[in-house]
Amino acid sequence: GQNIDQPTEMTATEGAIVQINCTYQTSGFNGLFWYQQHAGEAPTFLSYNVLDGLEEKGRFSSFLSRSKGYSYLLLKELQMKDSASYLCAVRVSGTYKYIFGTGTRLKVLA
Amino acid sequence: DAGVIQSPRHEVTEMGQEVTLRCKPISGHDYLFWYRQTMMRGLELLIYFNNNVPIDDSGMPEDRFSAKMPNASFSTLKIQPSEPRDSAVYFCASSLVGRNPLEQYFGPGTRLTVT
Repeated sequence: GQNIDQPTEMTATEGAIVQINCTYQTSGFNGLFWYQQHAGEAPTFLSYNVLDGLEEKGRFSSFLSRSKGYSYLLLKELQMKDSASYLCAVRVSGTYKYIFGTGTRLKVLA
Repeated sequence: DAGVIQSPRHEVTEMGQEVTLRCKPISGHDYLFWYRQTMMRGLELLIYFNNNVPIDDSGMPEDRFSAKMPNASFSTLKIQPSEPRDSAVYFCASSLVGRNPLEQYFGPGTRLTVT
């Protein structure tokens, strides 16, 4: 089967660092994506990993371990505007089909 | 450059009525996706097209749902007849193959309420 797991909610303090985990089991793998979605808005692309390791992009970094079926999104120097849902998605190999997790709702407190 | 355009933004209809959702992808993009998002199930892929041809419709819940893409700049998702459990936000997204990474650009969504 195909399954992506993320924590439902997380809370962190402004200025802190938070790590959002994602585990996946899919029939084939061709890349893992992270999207950010503010309440009432569309998802927007954040990051992409296809090889093992860490990809850094400003305050955001994403890590992938294909052997463990595991990824995380690291957000540094949290700001209030980072309060949003973060969606983990896997692209199924041989297709352009994407399986999304249900998302992690992050609340950043002052 | 305009992003993905969806209409209507909000739709309220009664059970049994036909609903048609519309999408205009980003010009030049060759993949188009329809998703449905609910609190319980998250973002689910319903169907996707490549160069106007449906490639995978395994996510379409049942025969009440149908999607078409008559040309590169327009797609519709139709629900007939609609039921209360169809209430959700429906997103259209487009991509350009050959672009790395293959990110999807989402439209603003259509919030559908079936009473």
